[in-house]
Amino acid sequence: EAGVAQSPRYKIIEKRQSVAFWCNPISGHATLYWYQQILGQGPKLLIQFQNNGVVDDSQLPKDRFSAERLKGVDSTLKIQPAKLEDSAVYLCASSPVGGAGTQYFGPGTRLTVL
Amino acid sequence: RKEVEQDPGPFNVPEGATVAFNCTYSNSASQSFFWYRQDCRKEPKLLMSVYSSGNEDGRFTAQLNRASQYISLLIRDSKLSDSATYLCVVTKAAGNKLTFGGGTRVLVKP
Repeated sequence: EAGVAQSPRYKIIEKRQSVAFWCNPISGHATLYWYQQILGQGPKLLIQFQNNGVVDDSQLPKDRFSAERLKGVDSTLKIQPAKLEDSAVYLCASSPVGGAGTQYFGPGTRLTVL
Repeated sequence: RKEVEQDPGPFNVPEGATVAFNCTYSNSASQSFFWYRQDCRKEPKLLMSVYSSGNEDGRFTAQLNRASQYISLLIRDSKLSDSATYLCVVTKAAGNKLTFGGGTRVLVKP
């Protein structure tokens, strides 16, 4: 079974630039999550989708971050404009319905903002 | 106070020894608990769920103490491959949002 796919794996941008990340969850997983993991910390949930609807985006900095999951399958997370403090690994995860505790993570995108 | 707190470590463990560490959570209504493992520069992976009665998976034992609001993980007969960061994960009472602790780093040395 294919895992969660993410791209790109690495991205370096300058502050105030824009960046987008892509995620393709495990086939059949209705729930998709985007996390931000700053070095030395645990993952922090940014947004959770159930199919193509948003379940929780309470910790998403909406002035600069946006995410969508069109057609309830793959998803994109965008940052515009980026700040230095956005440097982190952005992890995408998916889980089947009713299996929130068992989340499968992608390899992440390591973002460096200069 | 953070919702989920862990000692960041590192716990330096001789190979073959036993190591145990805790995680405290602040929301008494938390319903489900998990341990995830994260290797350096890798994604987190589910290690085990934590059940009220405690549970074992090979050399790993997880326990839950609801009265004191903490969960624990014990690793017996530590292997070099057990070196990783162990993330404590708690679900809130409402919905299925996971809250991660900051992780406990374990280094097993020969």
